[in-house]
Amino acid sequence: DTGVSQNPRHKITKRGQNVTFRCDPISEHNRLYWYRQTLGQGPEFLTYFQNEAQLEKSRLLSDRFSAERPKGSFSTLEIQRTEQGDSAMYLCASSSGTGVYEQYFGPGTRLTVT
Amino acid sequence: SQKIEQNSEALNIQEGKTATLTCNYTNYSPAYLQWYRQDPGRGPVFLLLIRENEKEKRKERLKVTFDTTLKQSLFHITASQPADSATYLCALPSDPSNTGKLIFGQGTTLQVKP
Repeated sequence: DTGVSQNPRHKITKRGQNVTFRCDPISEHNRLYWYRQTLGQGPEFLTYFQNEAQLEKSRLLSDRFSAERPKGSFSTLEIQRTEQGDSAMYLCASSSGTGVYEQYFGPGTRLTVT
Repeated sequence: SQKIEQNSEALNIQEGKTATLTCNYTNYSPAYLQWYRQDPGRGPVFLLLIRENEKEKRKERLKVTFDTTLKQSLFHITASQPADSATYLCALPSDPSNTGKLIFGQGTTLQVKP
């Protein structure tokens, strides 16, 4: 068990560019979550998957954000036409069930939009 | 919607003392509550989960209490060590149906001085 991995760890991009992040969850986990975290705040929910199905997307999330989990394994989060306000840490987490289970987080991808 | 309040000011204590962190929530009583630890530049790490029918949960030097009347959880670290210095996050289910989705508090930073 290698834990949750995320790539890249850091991304610097210019405003208006598209970026894509990858998350590899713990292999037997069927739930996968994406969060965004800014300095001094807790993680903020973005979206989550049960296997390959995307069950919910935060109402705070603009249409520039999209996520996929094509085979119920790894997931990608894409941000189109990045804005400076998108600068944050993007965290991925996975869990083994649909109810009361702890979440295992990856190290995060730090995005800086210049 | 559910809101979580954690002390935003850092907690500074001397090594060997007990640290007590507070998590208050404002809306419905959740079926469970979780505590996570986060070190700078890293993803949160799960510590403890306590269910609504449990008054107290312990794990080594950690103790969590859950008071549904006060809408509050307390997180204690006894015999604190400098290695306990980190940000501690409280998390609750985001809705009463317990889909597994969590909302997080902003975290309290603990600094243990030798």
